[in-house]
Amino acid sequence: EPEVTQTPSHQVTQMGQEVILRCVPISNHLYFYWYRQILGQKVEFLVSFYNNEISEKSEIFDDQFSVERPDGSNFTLKIRSTKLEDSAMYFCASSENWAGDQPQHFGDGTRLSIL
Amino acid sequence: GDSVTQMEGPVTLSEEAFLTINCTYTATGYPSLFWYVQYPGEGLQLLLKATKADDKGSNKGFEATYRKETTSFHLEKGSVQVSDSAVYFCALSDRNRGFKTIFGAGTRLFVKA
Repeated sequence: EPEVTQTPSHQVTQMGQEVILRCVPISNHLYFYWYRQILGQKVEFLVSFYNNEISEKSEIFDDQFSVERPDGSNFTLKIRSTKLEDSAMYFCASSENWAGDQPQHFGDGTRLSIL
Repeated sequence: GDSVTQMEGPVTLSEEAFLTINCTYTATGYPSLFWYVQYPGEGLQLLLKATKADDKGSNKGFEATYRKETTSFHLEKGSVQVSDSAVYFCALSDRNRGFKTIFGAGTRLFVKA
């Protein structure tokens, strides 16, 4: 069964540094998402992306965050200047259709640790 | 705004016990409802879904019925196994409320042999 893959599985970065988290969505999916899960807390929506532009973003997704689909397969999340509170598990997801009808397929996540 | 509330954990059961994890939702529209499961060290996997009132989603012995009158989507399993130990997330998405899934806080389940 096709999978969403994320790299790296664990990223350790100094505060203030830029970090890029990478995702390869399922190939025929059109909608892409990023979520984060701070340790022990709920999964929170960050951003959705369709047709090469952001469809929706949460209040968490401020100017320090950006997303890009640089080619036909990758979907990236960039944090420009990381803060301690950015430490979390970041999940990429994709869906064939918008979330209302089709479930989102999630990757295994990237654990981001900010020192 | 839309939200999902699920029972706090952890829930600890013996093998073969009956499981119920309560989930209620608030939505202004007509959401689709989901249960996702997260095994230790892994990502989120869809367990089951229901897209309209009175639908029953089922998978791997788990089931949940979309109850519009009580705005609930409780997860049940008749006989749990040690391998069911995981965190379970109730979630919704609403076609009129954008492109995101809204998750509950998650309920950790421990099953003892």
